[in-house]
Amino acid sequence: GNSVTQMEGPVTLSEEAFLTINCTYTATGYPSLFWYVQYPGEGLQLLLKATKADDKGSNKGFEATYRKETTSFHLEKGSVQVSDSAVYFCALSTSGNTGGFKTIFGAGTRLFVKA
Amino acid sequence: NAGVMQNPRHLVRRRGQEARLRCSPMKGHSHVYWYRQLPEEGLKFMVYLQKENIIDESGMPKERFSAEFPKEGPSILRIQQVVRGDSAAYFCASSQGQGRNEQFFGPGTRLTVL
Repeated sequence: GNSVTQMEGPVTLSEEAFLTINCTYTATGYPSLFWYVQYPGEGLQLLLKATKADDKGSNKGFEATYRKETTSFHLEKGSVQVSDSAVYFCALSTSGNTGGFKTIFGAGTRLFVKA
Repeated sequence: NAGVMQNPRHLVRRRGQEARLRCSPMKGHSHVYWYRQLPEEGLKFMVYLQKENIIDESGMPKERFSAEFPKEGPSILRIQQVVRGDSAAYFCASSQGQGRNEQFFGPGTRLTVL
């Protein structure tokens, strides 16, 4: 079945450090891939997405490239800020036969950024 | 355009009571998903509904849990005879379907069972 595996946290970085959170997936067909972010006490927000191989999603300085050959969608940011402290979820979505989609989430990676 | 709305935001119940969680999808969205998040864990899919239909309930516990999405009104997740293990955050998400697979999440309902 389809699954998402992301690196365990917590990840602790100093402000302005480089961030990588690894994500690999297993899926049949051609899923769409997502990164969601969850700030304390809130729901998930879509951070970025990619819908086909070699697509790069980007938003707020974060980037991730859909790598079909390595089945990966690693999240990167060149310089993190304290405000980036949150839990990050990698997810994949595959189409159903009823017009909707099923999304599978990774376990989440908690990021702490120190000033 | 209002986002996904959930209420209540916080719900406290005693063991054996019923919990009723509501979700109003974004305007124009006809697909609703419910997820459960236990403390310090990821999201677990529970159920996927379209108007008046349950499409996929493979993540729902077989007993005490039910969900509906009526023609009019919000989607309801109902938990009967709650137990302490039901304490969690329950998130609702909605999507347009019809080829658009991005899900938009509500702020969640945090259920505490005493």
